[in-house]
Amino acid sequence: DTAVSQTPKYLVTQMGNDKSIKCEQNLGHDTMYWYKQDSKKFLKIMFSYNNKELIINETVPNRFSPKSPDKAHLNLHINSLELGDSAVYFCASSRSGLNTEAFFGQGTRLTVV
Amino acid sequence: GQNIDQPTEMTATEGAIVQINCTYQTSGFNGLFWYQQHAGEAPTFLSYNVLDGLEEKGRFSSFLSRSKGYSYLLLKELQMKDSASYLCAVRESTSGTYKYIFGTGTRLKVLA
Repeated sequence: DTAVSQTPKYLVTQMGNDKSIKCEQNLGHDTMYWYKQDSKKFLKIMFSYNNKELIINETVPNRFSPKSPDKAHLNLHINSLELGDSAVYFCASSRSGLNTEAFFGQGTRLTVV
Repeated sequence: GQNIDQPTEMTATEGAIVQINCTYQTSGFNGLFWYQQHAGEAPTFLSYNVLDGLEEKGRFSSFLSRSKGYSYLLLKELQMKDSASYLCAVRESTSGTYKYIFGTGTRLKVLA
């Protein structure tokens, strides 16, 4: 019954590698997001997709490339990982219209060594 | 630009009442949300205001004044399990799309 699910939950990798994080939502929402939460717990929006189309790209390095094969999935691929990419990445989804909150996945803790 | 401010940390006693304030400056305001986040977990939705006034949900209430760019979350009858971070978020609407902009969060410690 998981609403927004991400895999993997933990990811440890070396600098320079390429990795992907997957996200799926079964809520029927049309908008999905990626957020990054750093060590100071600040939750910063990275991308937003609406019906598979990129809507928001918040000045994220182009090493980060989101892909939305359909409106229930939003994956995040990261090339040439750097130490500063270590953080918790949250996927979220929401429905358009008023009175709608965003639902978050459980997060992926990425550690670059 | 966007600017959302909350106190970094607060401490309160079990059974007490605590008010967490949030001020914001944003364009395209489309609602003010409060989330709770326990350590190592995802943020979970608590409360939402789009119009001025107070919204009450059990032990939690949230207030909004759009003219002042101000909101607060009120937690009553505090319990130990309420120890968590509380995130204030503004939803912005631009050309029919939405994004949720978060404050830095307030870490609340509830003491016995």
